[in-house]
Amino acid sequence: EPEVTQTPSHQVTQMGQEVILRCVPISNHLYFYWYRQILGQKVEFLVSFYNNEISEKSEIFDDQFSVERPDGSNFTLKIRSTKLEDSAMYFCASSEPGWPEAFFGQGTRLTVV
Amino acid sequence: DQQVKQNSPSLSVQEGRISILNCDYTNSMFDYFLWYKKYPAEGPTFLISISSIKDKNEDGRFTVFLNKSAKHLSLHIVPSQPGDSAVYFCAAKAGNAGNMLTFGGGTRLMVKP
Repeated sequence: EPEVTQTPSHQVTQMGQEVILRCVPISNHLYFYWYRQILGQKVEFLVSFYNNEISEKSEIFDDQFSVERPDGSNFTLKIRSTKLEDSAMYFCASSEPGWPEAFFGQGTRLTVV
Repeated sequence: DQQVKQNSPSLSVQEGRISILNCDYTNSMFDYFLWYKKYPAEGPTFLISISSIKDKNEDGRFTVFLNKSAKHLSLHIVPSQPGDSAVYFCAAKAGNAGNMLTFGGGTRLMVKP
């Protein structure tokens, strides 16, 4: 069964450093998303991406964040200068056109120290 | 922001019995609702969804009921199995917000053998 894959599974970084989280969405999906879940809190929407541009973003997705689809298969989330409060599970997801059902990857646990 | 609420943080059910997980929402613009299941260290897995034009959707052991006037939905699992033990998230999509999903806080279901 097709699945969304994310790398790395765990990333530890120093505060102020840049991190790039990587995702390979399901191949025939055209909508891509990043969500995050801070420990003990809700899963929160960050950004959606369609047709090589951001289609929606939340208040969390400020100038420190950016997304890119550098090639036909990868979708990345970059955090320019990490803060302690960026520590969370980051989930990539993708969906087919016309279908709200998003399929999630297994997540990347980001720990900022 | 409490647009989607799951008021029961946990639920314990005997194997073979019915599990009922509840979800309430406040945003009248939500037009599509989804349930996800999440095991530890994994991403959310899509279970079942329902459009606001329906009041029931069934898929095997899983049935979702939607009461629009009460802004309430529920997920019924019959019969419950130990492998159903996980955290269940309710999520909703607004008609005017693309494919962005708003999640509830989750309910941890424990099915006892």
